[in-house]
Amino acid sequence: AAGVIQSPRHLIKEKRETATLKCYPIPRHDTVYWYQQGPGQDPQFLISFYEKMQSDKGSIPDRFSAQQFSDYHSELNMSSLELGDSALYFCASSRTGWYGYTFGSGTRLTVV
Amino acid sequence: GQQVMQIPQYQHVQEGEDFTTYCNSSTTLSNIQWYKQRPGGHPVFLIQLVKSGEVKKQKRLTFQFGEAKKNSSLHITATQTTDVGTYFCAGQGAQKLVFGQGTRLTINP
Repeated sequence: AAGVIQSPRHLIKEKRETATLKCYPIPRHDTVYWYQQGPGQDPQFLISFYEKMQSDKGSIPDRFSAQQFSDYHSELNMSSLELGDSALYFCASSRTGWYGYTFGSGTRLTVV
Repeated sequence: GQQVMQIPQYQHVQEGEDFTTYCNSSTTLSNIQWYKQRPGGHPVFLIQLVKSGEVKKQKRLTFQFGEAKKNSSLHITATQTTDVGTYFCAGQGAQKLVFGQGTRLTINP
């Protein structure tokens, strides 16, 4: 079965650079979520989109932005990267009326 | 905002022993979900509980949802080495899941 696809798997950036993370949700899933997970931490909600419209916003820095495109893929754009942005970034998708979120394998971002 | 607390943070058991993790929410939940994350992996959906007092079983795993829909537990009977990982509860908010801190389970074979 198709899963949530994230790219790239690993990304190394320098401070103050920008990064773009991509997510391809499961077909026919109507909601996409972005989470940030630091080492030994629980996933922290950043932002979600329902049918391509932003539906909820969490602890997402102003330096970050996200959008969902007409083909339902989503991108998380991160600018002026800081060392503290180093983390695993997960994308997840779900379908209204169905149980559970399906998470992608994540993008490990390292800022040096 | 909604907060979900989970205890214990860590649990180390001998293989064959039982394991329980507990979850408490600051607000009444519409549903609660449980996820397992293996080391180096991503959260994998285990189950969703919706009804007050609901109990669901998956083989050696038993999930409970409290009567007030503010707490939940996961109990594993006779742990196996394949149970190693971090177990997260997550409360459903408007358009997001709010995760507990997770319980990291390690097992001595």
